[in-house]
Amino acid sequence: EAGVAQSPRYKIIEKRQSVAFWCNPISGHATLYWYQQILGQGPKLLIQFQNNGVVDDSQLPKDRFSAERLKGVDSTLKIQPAKLEDSAVYLCASSSSSGAAYEQYFGPGTRLTVT
Amino acid sequence: AQKITQTQPGMFVQEKEAVTLDCTYDTSDQSYGLFWYKQPSSGEMIFLIYQGSYDEQNATEGRYSLNFQKARKSANLVISASQLGDSAMYFCAMREGRGYTGNQFYFGTGTSLTVIP
Repeated sequence: EAGVAQSPRYKIIEKRQSVAFWCNPISGHATLYWYQQILGQGPKLLIQFQNNGVVDDSQLPKDRFSAERLKGVDSTLKIQPAKLEDSAVYLCASSSSSGAAYEQYFGPGTRLTVT
Repeated sequence: AQKITQTQPGMFVQEKEAVTLDCTYDTSDQSYGLFWYKQPSSGEMIFLIYQGSYDEQNATEGRYSLNFQKARKSANLVISASQLGDSAMYFCAMREGRGYTGNQFYFGTGTSLTVIP
């Protein structure tokens, strides 16, 4: 079974530029999550999708961040315009809707550096 | 209040010894789940072990076991027979809510484990 795919793996941009990250979850996983992980900290949930609907985006800075999951499969997270404090690893995860655990499976992440 | 607290920023353990990584949690839900993830220097989060709030037995997965003390709201990870490849960041996480549509996930700040040869 293929894991969660993310691209790009690394991105360097200047502040005020735009950037987009892509995630393809494990096949059949209805729930998709985007996390921001700043160096030395634990992941912070940005947005959670159930199929193509948003379940939780309470910690998404909506003035600059946006995300979509149009067909309930892959997802894109965008930052426009980027700030220095957006430098972080952006992790995508997915989980199944069956079973008791609903454990999340993570992709390799995209390391963003804003200069 | 923090949902997940990991008080050990860094830990060292001798190869082949056992080590316990601490985790306490805060929730008023009756139904919740507790997870441990490993994050090597490569950055990918690897699921290790899960404990449900209604599970009476402590979870075990190979060399990993979860010491679940519900009254104390603690969910410590025990790694037995440490290996050099166990050197990584370890994150404790909690899922609140019933059913996948209402799940909220929270992560701790992590513990950096170094295994010494």
